[in-house]
Amino acid sequence: SQQGEEDPQALSIQEGENATMNCSYKTSINNLQWYRQNSGRGLVHLILIRSNEREKHSGRLRVTLDTSKKSSSLLITASRAADTASYFCATDGNGQNFVFGPGTRLSVLP
Amino acid sequence: DTEVTQTPKHLVMGMTNKKSLKCEQHMGHRAMYWYKQKAKKPPELMFVYSYEKLSINESVPSRFSPECPNSSLLNLHLHALQPEDSALYLCASSQDNRGNQPQHFGDGTRLSIL
Repeated sequence: SQQGEEDPQALSIQEGENATMNCSYKTSINNLQWYRQNSGRGLVHLILIRSNEREKHSGRLRVTLDTSKKSSSLLITASRAADTASYFCATDGNGQNFVFGPGTRLSVLP
Repeated sequence: DTEVTQTPKHLVMGMTNKKSLKCEQHMGHRAMYWYKQKAKKPPELMFVYSYEKLSINESVPSRFSPECPNSSLLNLHLHALQPEDSALYLCASSQDNRGNQPQHFGDGTRLSIL
């Protein structure tokens, strides 16, 4: 069964707007990671957040983690056309192997 | 360019063929992974090698046979595949197989079974 689940499944925004994607999971975790996948390419690691952390930043990316709600969000600020991709969360912990959520397909329109 | 190299990029094979997918990394990582990804779906973990030993097999059919000849190489041997095995096969590596390490992915092999 899937551990992480993203919403929305698809998101279209204009360049310069912010994009927020959410990830929910079912069991306790040790770590949560976010990855990006451009069409026809492999996944690229964006951010790892540990279960004892609440927020992390990397450039235009901000990730939050709420372990009480078993959820995480990824915020991309000032989006660019190059941010168009699928975004996946992935979790590990509680005996589960590395599991990816279904992903959010982000389209940033020029 | 990715630091994990997968060959071939594309592969078309019949159901009776035998072929192999190859993956190579030179980052000194000691964990390597095979994933299967269908269109518009997330990657699904197939196998994990840790220090050249198979540590996880996610109930993958025996027509997929992994091999880790050394710490830099990972192969996936294919035999008697079915049309539903058509997918993107991704290789990844990480420093070790603890979940607190980012995984580095290759660009995959797109496999089509006729």
